[in-house]
Amino acid sequence: GAGVSQSPSNKVTEKGKDVELRCDPISGHTALYWYRQSLGQGLEFLIYFQGNSAPDKSGLPSDRFSAERTGGSVSTLTIQRTQQEDSAVYLCASSLVGGSQETQYFGPGTRLLVL
Amino acid sequence: GENVEQHPSTLSVQEGDSAVIKCTYSDSASNYFPWYKQELGKGPQLIIDIRSNVGEKKDQRIAVTLNKTAKHFSLHITETQPEDSAVYFCAASKWRQNFVFGPGTRLSVLP
Repeated sequence: GAGVSQSPSNKVTEKGKDVELRCDPISGHTALYWYRQSLGQGLEFLIYFQGNSAPDKSGLPSDRFSAERTGGSVSTLTIQRTQQEDSAVYLCASSLVGGSQETQYFGPGTRLLVL
Repeated sequence: GENVEQHPSTLSVQEGDSAVIKCTYSDSASNYFPWYKQELGKGPQLIIDIRSNVGEKKDQRIAVTLNKTAKHFSLHITETQPEDSAVYFCAASKWRQNFVFGPGTRLSVLP
């Protein structure tokens, strides 16, 4: 069974460009989470999906950040007009049911560098 | 909202010694406390968790203790090995609230 996969593994972009980050959760997992991890820092919660809906978007840092999930599976995190402070590792996790207090299985992350 | 602090930020131990990492939380309603291990270039992986209805849980060389009154919990690793070197994160959550992670502890096990 495959784990959570993310693509690309690394992304270098210029300030002002848009980027899309993709997450493929574990098959059958209904809950999906996006986190941001700045260098040497902890995990900052961004957004949580239950199926295709996002009951908790409270962590999105600005309106430049958006995410969607289709078919209860793949999710895309989009960052518009990227800024240098967006440089970080973006981690995706999935869990079987959601509603917290379950094991979250993490992908390897996408390392984003904004020049 | 919940706030989780974690100490120390870095920890070096000799192979075979024990390592202890401590976390405190602010929300007395939090009742689930997982610990994740993150190796270089990889995503975090759950190593052990504890719920508020127990005070201690052990899995081979790893144990977690919880003091609800003081609102702190600790990770204990005994007989450390070089492959234990990683960044460790604690987290706290309550029902229908997402995890709040601590800032992490970088553990180095010296041969």
